[in-house]
Amino acid sequence: DAMVIQNPRYQVTQFGKPVTLSCSQTLNHNVMYWYQQKSSQAPKLLFHYYDKDFNNEADTPDNFQSRRPNTSFCFLDIRSPGLGDAAMYLCATSAIALTGPGANVLTFGAGSRLTVL
Amino acid sequence: QKEVEQNSGPLSVPEGAIASLNCTYSDRGSQSFFWYRQYSGKSPELIMSIYSNGDKEDGRFTAQLNKASQYVSLLIRDSQPSDSATYLCAVNLLNQAGTALIFGKGTTLSVSS
Repeated sequence: DAMVIQNPRYQVTQFGKPVTLSCSQTLNHNVMYWYQQKSSQAPKLLFHYYDKDFNNEADTPDNFQSRRPNTSFCFLDIRSPGLGDAAMYLCATSAIALTGPGANVLTFGAGSRLTVL
Repeated sequence: QKEVEQNSGPLSVPEGAIASLNCTYSDRGSQSFFWYRQYSGKSPELIMSIYSNGDKEDGRFTAQLNKASQYVSLLIRDSQPSDSATYLCAVNLLNQAGTALIFGKGTTLSVSS
């Protein structure tokens, strides 16, 4: 089945130790997103790619970086995790369709839960 | 700042009742509106999408959109305990980069048997 796969599902790291989360998709969608969701909060958009075009949200900390080496894969790098970065990180994809039925529908992966000790 | 607002709840209804969830948004240019369901510790899953003013029905779920009032709602008929979850309203935000979905904080629904 076509899907969005995130690895690892659970990641424990120490304060300041870099972490990389991965996302792969078999949907052949052009757009990939990274959201951060803390407990009882809304998913917060960190950045997204239109094909290879990277779009950073204005309030995304510099500590967060992303790479998309090809259509299928996207990575989230947290260079120096702090306690406040503990969250669920959600990868999502969508086909490019800005208007009309079916536009902007996101397909989510299962998420990667990050714990910072 | 573009926002999506929801009552956080919890909203408690008995089994078989109608649950009504509400959402307002600030960006008048938004064209796509979604309701996602999220169980604790899981990722969001799409319940309904709506793009035009009026009602859209899918089984026990009905989404209602009023662009003039910047309001979107979700009705769940014959609520079941398995409907107990957090319901996230999402709205597309048009910006220089194209479009992205902005989520509300979600409304927690509890259906008692």
